[in-house]
Amino acid sequence: QAVLTQPASLSASPGASASLTCTLRSGINVGTYRIYWYQQKPGSPPQYLLRYKSDSDKQQGSGVPSRFSGSKDASANAGILLISGLQSEDEADYYCMIWYSSAWVFGGGTKLTVL
Amino acid sequence: QVQLVQSGSELKKPGASVKVSCKASGYTFTRNPMNWVRQAPGQGLEWMGWINTNTGKPTYVQGFTGRFVFSLDTSVSTAYLQISSLKAEDTAVYYCARDLDGSGSFDFWGQGTLVTVSS
Repeated sequence: QAVLTQPASLSASPGASASLTCTLRSGINVGTYRIYWYQQKPGSPPQYLLRYKSDSDKQQGSGVPSRFSGSKDASANAGILLISGLQSEDEADYYCMIWYSSAWVFGGGTKLTVL
Repeated sequence: QVQLVQSGSELKKPGASVKVSCKASGYTFTRNPMNWVRQAPGQGLEWMGWINTNTGKPTYVQGFTGRFVFSLDTSVSTAYLQISSLKAEDTAVYYCARDLDGSGSFDFWGQGTLVTVSS
């Protein structure tokens, strides 16, 4: 089972909110980890969005709008990237990442479609 | 402004070697770790490891040992990735990525270098 699992795809409407989940493998406690989020548009390198561990341990990427925010769902053992006020330009692949077993591990990515 | 500019696409035959460069500008090169990330066609991101730009010490993740070498030339603020004994499965885009504060916030990325391995 993968360390980080992300849904392959998600669709949402312009102006709505989208919650992208990053589920940690059973036995890996989400509360212990900083979750990093990256956005990648076709043909471009990834862009750092933010990291989130708790409300007192979080970091927004430089120039990243505040409508991108991080949180956790402890009951689901998942990190969440919330994008509010969806815009067409938010259509992209989104990757989560954690530091696990002495390595940076990425999730498989979620393709967000805004339609 | 911070920029990471990578070398151009490469087409190589199996068994050959390739060296990808990542030239940094706009900041003090030795202050930030440099990471390497692979993305196979249509696939996700895979962290290969990183190099301490102050000491030159590389660290490789499992799966990227042996044929992969990270190096530096600090006189020209450039990091390198060399891959030897290329295989078809090495076909991918390779990115360099600066770590903002050594914590995993990869705040600047190169544009990527496509390495194609084909006979």
